[in-house]
Amino acid sequence: QVLLQESGPGLVKPSETLSLTCSVSGGSISVTYWSWIRQTPGKGLEWIGHIYYDGTTTYHPSLKTRVFISLDKAKNEVSLKLQSVGAADTATYFCARLILRQQSHRPTSAWFAPWGQGTLVTVSS
Amino acid sequence: QSVLTQPPSVSETPGQRVTISCSGANSNIGSSTVSWYQHLPGAAPKLIIFSTNERPSGVPDRFSGSKSGTSASLTISGLQSEDEADYYCSTWDDSLNGLVFGAGTKLTVL
Repeated sequence: QVLLQESGPGLVKPSETLSLTCSVSGGSISVTYWSWIRQTPGKGLEWIGHIYYDGTTTYHPSLKTRVFISLDKAKNEVSLKLQSVGAADTATYFCARLILRQQSHRPTSAWFAPWGQGTLVTVSS
Repeated sequence: QSVLTQPPSVSETPGQRVTISCSGANSNIGSSTVSWYQHLPGAAPKLIIFSTNERPSGVPDRFSGSKSGTSASLTISGLQSEDEADYYCSTWDDSLNGLVFGAGTKLTVL
């Protein structure tokens, strides 16, 4: 059974970089895709981006100038870095395994399972 | 503002059936399958439907999904108090070149 656990600072100052780690147990990250998703207070879920085991990344257009997702295969971890954070980046951040099916290089089916429990990050001075 | 539109809340009594809608566009629901997630506050979201109408192992057959055109639905029959949670739909969006979610629907079992 694959389990995911997010970790990182719960408080980040405005303009600084948010850094989170997702530790994966029960399976290798050297298969499929891995994703970060966030939930802002009182609002719904927002996909941040994902990374394939070969290192290929895809990011949300509104975040792509600030976000970086990477893999540490030795530690079986997935990392998220979000630069120049502001109050709008205050959220609960989840990592999840992403299953992505494609036809002619176009995604036609995608789902997240399992998810981590999430970690709350507050941006405040 | 979410790309996919869900009702903010639905409610029904135990034993009854409830349907949660998810409305999108040709660039998302109209051209990709839909997944659904159950989320209890403080817990990890749980996949309950993938590929529009498939259930992962362990999810009761009381949960079912469907799609027509640019809209999808999650139906829960034989409602139980433990089904009270937030439910989210999700799919791939060609315009975004990424994944999108609905804003979520809070299910209350009266």
